[in-house]
Amino acid sequence: QVQLQESGPGLVKPSETLSLTCTVSGGSISGYYYYWIRQPAGKGLEWIGRFNTREFSDYNPSLKSRVTMSLDTSRGQFSLRLISVTAADTAVYYCARDDTGIGSAAIYWGQGILVTVSS
Amino acid sequence: QSALTQPASVSGSPGQSIAFSCTGTSSDVGGYNYVSWYQQHPGKAPKLMIYEVTNRPSGVPDRFSGSKSGNTASLTISGLQAEDEANYYCMSYTSSSTLVFGGGTKLTVL
Repeated sequence: QVQLQESGPGLVKPSETLSLTCTVSGGSISGYYYYWIRQPAGKGLEWIGRFNTREFSDYNPSLKSRVTMSLDTSRGQFSLRLISVTAADTAVYYCARDDTGIGSAAIYWGQGILVTVSS
Repeated sequence: QSALTQPASVSGSPGQSIAFSCTGTSSDVGGYNYVSWYQQHPGKAPKLMIYEVTNRPSGVPDRFSGSKSGNTASLTISGLQAEDEANYYCMSYTSSSTLVFGGGTKLTVL
């Protein structure tokens, strides 16, 4: 059974870089789209971007200048890097995987990790 | 990119059928059959309920169904149950090769 688990610091200072890792278990990491999605407290879901094992990526236009995603197939990990964070980046961050082969739906989700941006 | 439009809340009684709408444009919902729906209970991760407009992942009850007409997609729950009370989000592929969520609808089971 496919499982995803987010990890990383829960507190990041303003203007610094948020770095999160998603560890994938229960099968091969290759051949799928991976997503990062976030949700500020009490608000809706926001798609951050997607990445696949062919290093094909797309990012939310509102975040594109600050976001980088990468995949380490040898470690079974998918990563997010968001630079120059502000309080507006405080949210629960989810990683997810799309097994449809198209890159249009998040089938498997991690439990989420709360990241707070504060000095 | 603009978020898809969903009503803020809907309510229904057990056993009833209810439908959620998700309105976009010809550049997202109307242009592709790549609309998905997610159920989220408080404090939990979202769960995929429908993908590619009408497809149900294994394990999702057939009480949940999806459809689309023009720029509006819909999720219908028949035989409403207490455990269906949750927030529901739609998501669509866009002409910019990105994905965009709706603002979410809170379902209350009376």
